Amino acid sequence: QQKVQQSPESLIVPEGGMASLNCTSSDRNVDYFWWYRQHSGKSPKMLMSIFSNGEKEEGRFTVHLNKASLHTSLHIRDSQPSDSALYLCAASGGNYQLIWGSGTKLIIKP
Amino acid sequence: DMKVTQMPRYLIKRMGENVLLECGQDMSHETMYWYRQDPGLGLQLIYISYDVDSNSEGDIPKGYRVSRKKREHFSLILDSAKTNQTSVYFCASSPGHSTEVFFGKGTRLTVV
Repeated sequence: QQKVQQSPESLIVPEGGMASLNCTSSDRNVDYFWWYRQHSGKSPKMLMSIFSNGEKEEGRFTVHLNKASLHTSLHIRDSQPSDSALYLCAASGGNYQLIWGSGTKLIIKP
Repeated sequence: DMKVTQMPRYLIKRMGENVLLECGQDMSHETMYWYRQDPGLGLQLIYISYDVDSNSEGDIPKGYRVSRKKREHFSLILDSAKTNQTSVYFCASSPGHSTEVFFGKGTRLTVV
């Protein structure tokens, strides 16, 4: 069973709307979460990271983390067509290498 | 300009041929990775290298081997390529093994 689960697998959001993506780890050794964005035909690039309980905001992007449930979520407000991409969640902790989820494909409809 | 460079970007090989994918980074990162990405499967780790000649198998090492003789260079070798190794291969590097990962642009390998 995959140790990092992302949901939903795909998501369609109207332009200007809010996109909410979820990620949960089943590995209790994890203590750091990463969100990467991968546009079609491109390589993944780190978007945001979080290791403290609570939320972190950068522009239109907000990440939440609940360490007790090992759940993180990424919220994109005022979604733009350029936000259409595959969003990958990854978790790390201790000496563990990154564990990757299989991604959420986000489509922003104009 | 910090970057990870992969060569070649596109490659078509016949089944049974040997394949060499090259990767370089100019950030003096200790840790380097080879991933493959197939639709719907996210990133699958093939090998991780913690430094020169310090390589460990990832989740799917079968059919692959690696070489790291210089810190800035990490190669992936497919001996006798198979059609199920058709994929996009990403090389990546990071300062440590639990830090931000920087990816190359990828190599699209087709084995026919």
